[in-house]
Amino acid sequence: AQSVTQLGSHVSVSEGALVLLRCNYSSSVPPYLFWYVQYPNQGLQLLLKYTSAATLVKGINDFEAEFKKSETSFHLTKPSAHMSDAAEYFCAVSGVNAGNMLTFGGGTRLMVKP
Amino acid sequence: GAGVSQSPRYKVAKRGQDVALRCDPISGHVSLFWYQQALGQGPEFLTYFQNEAQLDKSGLPSDRFFAERPEGSVSTLKIQRTQQEDSAVYLCASSLQAGGYNEQFFGPGTRLTVL
Repeated sequence: AQSVTQLGSHVSVSEGALVLLRCNYSSSVPPYLFWYVQYPNQGLQLLLKYTSAATLVKGINDFEAEFKKSETSFHLTKPSAHMSDAAEYFCAVSGVNAGNMLTFGGGTRLMVKP
Repeated sequence: GAGVSQSPRYKVAKRGQDVALRCDPISGHVSLFWYQQALGQGPEFLTYFQNEAQLDKSGLPSDRFFAERPEGSVSTLKIQRTQQEDSAVYLCASSLQAGGYNEQFFGPGTRLTVL
């Protein structure tokens, strides 16, 4: 069985500050890992994904995440927060087989203060 | 190009009514998923189609939930005799190929409110 834990349901940062959103996973097989962003009344948009290539993954809008197998973590970072980054962020894990669904964490709401 | 679309965007139903939620995936996408997202929570898997075949329905919460994709494109999620606990956002996602490494593209969701 797979599961995802996102530490911190709400994170607040100042504009220009570092963004760090935490994600830990459990999986019985080497996982595929994803970060999605959800703006109000919109669907989820993929930020980045890890599929067993480079452990440091770069995504859209200067977001990146590092896969650390020893820590079973896939934390999301961005060097400098923008007001437009305010949204809900979801970490998700998937297995390797066809039809493997995404298992999501509970989400972290990022607030950016001016 | 067009993304995943869902209709209606909002649905209010009285308890006991039947509802049908539609998903139009990206053209040519083989895989289609339905998820349920309760308020303040992450999406949870309901069911999966590969073309017209429903290969996994392990996430459907009860036999009141039924999904179909008869021609391998448009899908409909039907909920019979709706209950208040069915109130949630229902998300549809499609991906080009089967396999867990493929990006899933999500629609905007249908927000169902059961009174």
